[in-house]
Amino acid sequence: GAVVSQHPSWVICKSGTSVKIECRSLDFQATTMFWYRQFPKQSLMLMATSNEGSKATYEQGVEKDKFLINHASLTLSTLTVTSAHPEDSSFYICSATPFGGHHYGYTFGSGTRLTVV
Amino acid sequence: LAKTTQPISMDSYEGQEVNITCSHNNIATNDYITWYQQFPSQGPRFIIQGYKTKVTNEVASLFIPADRKSSTLSLPRVSLSDTAVYYCLGVTSGTYKYIFGTGTRLKVLA
Repeated sequence: GAVVSQHPSWVICKSGTSVKIECRSLDFQATTMFWYRQFPKQSLMLMATSNEGSKATYEQGVEKDKFLINHASLTLSTLTVTSAHPEDSSFYICSATPFGGHHYGYTFGSGTRLTVV
Repeated sequence: LAKTTQPISMDSYEGQEVNITCSHNNIATNDYITWYQQFPSQGPRFIIQGYKTKVTNEVASLFIPADRKSSTLSLPRVSLSDTAVYYCLGVTSGTYKYIFGTGTRLKVLA
């Protein structure tokens, strides 16, 4: 149980275009999902907290107008990288947990490798 | 949220027991210690979680002393496939917010 699916697993886009990444909880509902970014050989950096039915909460230094987050249902959160540039190339990972599930650990998606050319 | 400190890297040989220690001096009463494993180009995978004393599951053991200022992840008889980055996190009950530290890059040698 507690499976989180991300799509796509990798994407290449041209500079200036927008890219949407989906995060789905397959067998549970999640009012909260988290989005992380990871550069090569570095740790995961929390970008934002996605809340179902309300605005996302962004970490300090993360541009909310550049990284649009929508959590329209209890099983789907999307991250849209708008006007992508090469410096946005990174590994994006989402996570979620069933209600009250923090004692059992968060489940992470398999990640999305974004390359902006 | 507890700030954690781990060794940057460790090497081990197949079949050996590996112990990775994590320091979390400012851990709060409500914090749980959680360990994750991450392979390249994959999301982290939950390994084990504990509050104090010892917790064991099918893949690892977690030792947390009485003062809870540190914890040790123990991997018995590692294999090449255990080569990964291991993260120790202090998770505050009710916050659901994970802050990752540097992690420990474990390399298992044949």
